[in-house]
Amino acid sequence: AQSVTQLDSHVSVSEGTPVLLRCNYSSSYSPSLFWYVQHPNKGLQLLLKYTSAATLVKGINGFEAEFKKSETSFHLTKPSAHMSDAAEYFCVVSASNSGYALNFGKGTSLLVTP
Amino acid sequence: NAGVTQTPKFQVLKTGQSMTLQCAQDMNHEYMSWYRQDPGMGLRLIHYSVGAGITDQGEVPNGYNVSRSTTEDFPLRLLSAAPSQTSVYFCASSRGQGGVTEAFFGQGTRLTVV
Repeated sequence: AQSVTQLDSHVSVSEGTPVLLRCNYSSSYSPSLFWYVQHPNKGLQLLLKYTSAATLVKGINGFEAEFKKSETSFHLTKPSAHMSDAAEYFCVVSASNSGYALNFGKGTSLLVTP
Repeated sequence: NAGVTQTPKFQVLKTGQSMTLQCAQDMNHEYMSWYRQDPGMGLRLIHYSVGAGITDQGEVPNGYNVSRSTTEDFPLRLLSAAPSQTSVYFCASSRGQGGVTEAFFGQGTRLTVV
């Protein structure tokens, strides 16, 4: 079975400072990992995905994540937060043994203060 | 290109009523799935399908039925609504075959059971 654990339910940063959202995964198969973002009362948008190519993955809006197999981690980072980054972020794992269905973490709510 | 279309966007049901949440995609994706989103729980998988005529249960299938008679459509049926089914429901589709690709989500259905 595969699962993800998002280590922080809430993260607060000041505008212009770095963002770090932490995610650990567990998978008995070679996983595919994703980060999705959900703005208030909106649907989900893909930020980036890891599918066993480069371990450092660049996504939209300046976000990136690094796959570290030895640490079973897939943390999301951004060098400088914008007010528009305030949203709910989900780390997600998928594996072929479940029809590629997605297993979501419980989410991290990112607050960006002026 | 419409992507994934869910209807209705909002619904209020009385306990014991039945209804069907509709989901349609126009991307010829093989994989489709239904999730429910509850505060602090992330998105949890209800049912998924790897192709027409093939469905399987996810993490929280009780009280829900699905079928997949065509590639395009994947309706979710609530047989006898309960207040515990008050949630936001998301349908998703992805290409899947040959490797994991991005999942595309509908805009969600906000269901209230009174």
